[in-house]
Amino acid sequence: QKEVEQNSGPLSVPEGAIASLNCTYSDRGSQSFFWYRQYSGKSPELIMSIYSNGDKEDGRFTAQLNKASQYVSLLIRDSQPSDSATYLCAARGDDKIIFGKGTRLHILP
Amino acid sequence: GAVVSQHPSWVICKSGTSVKIECRSLDFQATTMFWYRQFPKQSLMLMATSNEGSKATYEQGVEKDKFLINHASLTLSTLTVTSAHPEDSSFYICSARAGTSGRWYEQYFGPGTRLTVT
Repeated sequence: QKEVEQNSGPLSVPEGAIASLNCTYSDRGSQSFFWYRQYSGKSPELIMSIYSNGDKEDGRFTAQLNKASQYVSLLIRDSQPSDSATYLCAARGDDKIIFGKGTRLHILP
Repeated sequence: GAVVSQHPSWVICKSGTSVKIECRSLDFQATTMFWYRQFPKQSLMLMATSNEGSKATYEQGVEKDKFLINHASLTLSTLTVTSAHPEDSSFYICSARAGTSGRWYEQYFGPGTRLTVT
């Protein structure tokens, strides 16, 4: 059973600090990884994709991938109250994306 | 780019009736579409995967005769909830992807349809 594991949280981070979200995946053959943000009552929104080891930066977001450790992370710099949401980590499976259950992030004003 | 729409955004129906939900990829051709269901404060649950022109593949435990999926074109998939019951009340979300390699594998979600069965 291919799985993506995340801490469900909630993770509370002061406004302006760095929020660090982590996940691990079980399928060593996965090549593509994704982070989605889901606000309460809304559908998920793709915010980052990462395909190779190392860091990928996009604005305040940095995705990090370590295939040897089967570990993916998302850093959010200068956290804002609007970043409060559930963040879903996902990995490519055989014919579909496998989603983690999500980490709830709460930015404290 | 990569916009997926759903219609309706919310629907209320009586128990025993059927409801059709449409999912469209607006600016790309979706070779594969996915249907998810999400109950309040719970995680996404994949219901089925459909490829254009093929029968849908349903996840274990999802009744294919109750949740009818049609992927008639590269931009349209429909989910019909037949003989709906109150326990079918949920947030139904479709997702689409353009291909199977590289960034074409990225899945984009529609805004979701909130179904309430009375």
